Amino acid sequence: GQNIDQPTEMTATEGAIVQINCTYQTSGFNGLFWYQQHAGEAPTFLSYNVLDGLEEKGRFSSFLSRSKGYSYLLLKELQMKDSASYLCAVLDSNYQLIWGAGTKLIIKP
Amino acid sequence: ETGVTQTPRHLVMGMTNKKSLKCEQHLGHNAMYWYKQSAKKPLELMFVYNFKEQTENNSVPSRFSPECPNSSHLFLHLHTLQPEDSALYLCASTQGDTGELFFGEGSRLTVL
Repeated sequence: GQNIDQPTEMTATEGAIVQINCTYQTSGFNGLFWYQQHAGEAPTFLSYNVLDGLEEKGRFSSFLSRSKGYSYLLLKELQMKDSASYLCAVLDSNYQLIWGAGTKLIIKP
Repeated sequence: ETGVTQTPRHLVMGMTNKKSLKCEQHLGHNAMYWYKQSAKKPLELMFVYNFKEQTENNSVPSRFSPECPNSSHLFLHLHTLQPEDSALYLCASTQGDTGELFFGEGSRLTVL
């Protein structure tokens, strides 16, 4: 079966760095997505990785290792507004998105 | 106008009621989706429409009935729901097979 694993909840301190991991087992691979979802709001696109390596976008970076079935989202200089759920999703060989259950990130002052 | 708009944002209904959720996208996309989001669970894909034609129905119970009159509008008709159907229902749209979805803010459904 297809499976995406990510931690249920993480806590970090304002100004610090946090890494949210995602491991996947899917039928084929056409890219991995990270979405951010604030409570009561729509998920919004953060990043897309299809090749191995690190993609940096401001305070957020996303890493992919296809051989290990592994990705992480790195958030630097954490701000209170970064408190949200972070969803990992993989586009499989049928171009269907397979979703993880999301990681709820709590930022403390 | 926001990209994807869903109404109503909140809905409470009894098990014998009939109601509908509405989704409208202003992005010119050709594909629209209904997802169910329950706490601490992955997003569950319910229905997919490409160019108004249903291309995916993920074994969704018949008490959920989708309708797509055109590429910009999508409805989810609800009748004789069960309490376990209480969840956040998200509409999304995309162009092609990019996988980058644009979501609405969801309709929070509570079935009593």
